[in-house]
Amino acid sequence: EVQLLESGGGLVQPGGSLRLSCAASGFTFSSYAMSWVRQAPGKGLEWVSAISGSGGSTYYADSVKGRFTISRDNSKNTLYLQMNSLRAEDTAVYYCAKDLNGAVVTATWVTDIWGQGTMVTVSS
Amino acid sequence: QSVLTQPPSVSGAPGQRVTISCTGSSSNIGAGYDVHWYQQLPGTAPKLLIYGNSNRPSGVPDRFSGSKSGTSASLAITGLQAEDEADYYCQSYDSSLNVVFGGGTKLTVL
Repeated sequence: EVQLLESGGGLVQPGGSLRLSCAASGFTFSSYAMSWVRQAPGKGLEWVSAISGSGGSTYYADSVKGRFTISRDNSKNTLYLQMNSLRAEDTAVYYCAKDLNGAVVTATWVTDIWGQGTMVTVSS
Repeated sequence: QSVLTQPPSVSGAPGQRVTISCTGSSSNIGAGYDVHWYQQLPGTAPKLLIYGNSNRPSGVPDRFSGSKSGTSASLAITGLQAEDEADYYCQSYDSSLNVVFGGGTKLTVL
């Protein structure tokens, strides 16, 4: 069974850092691009970042560029999101998601498998 | 304000047909980029419902269909059922903003 399991969320003070992890199973991890999508409480979905299957190409939303870093360890089938300089507006459930099409991130970006999400709360 | 505009809510009685619109612009849907739709049941992660404008993943009932024309797209649900009550999101690509989602539409089954 294809599965994604996020971890690492929690309460952090403004300006602090947090690293999210997403453990993948049930598919050839390196063959697929992966992404992070977040959802603030009571709000809609917001794409955060994406990474190619090899890890060689990364993409970020303007709202997190320069503060967040996406990475992956294909030997461990794990996706990461390092979040620095956190702000109150970063408070959200963070989902990791698997690309439907393959290893390359393209304009036809679409995800077919999502994790259950991990909550990040930025507050003093 | 979302780049893709959806109605905040729609409703319908069991068995009826409802549609959810997704309006974009010449830099996203109108530029020819595909539109995809996700269903989010209360308290759960989003689920892919329609990809590539009109394709259904395996396991999605054919009661769900998608279409695209010009700068807009639509999701149609026929034979409405109680379990269809959820939030629905459209998603596409914007040439200046990268991946974009609609603001979401809450479907209420009366």
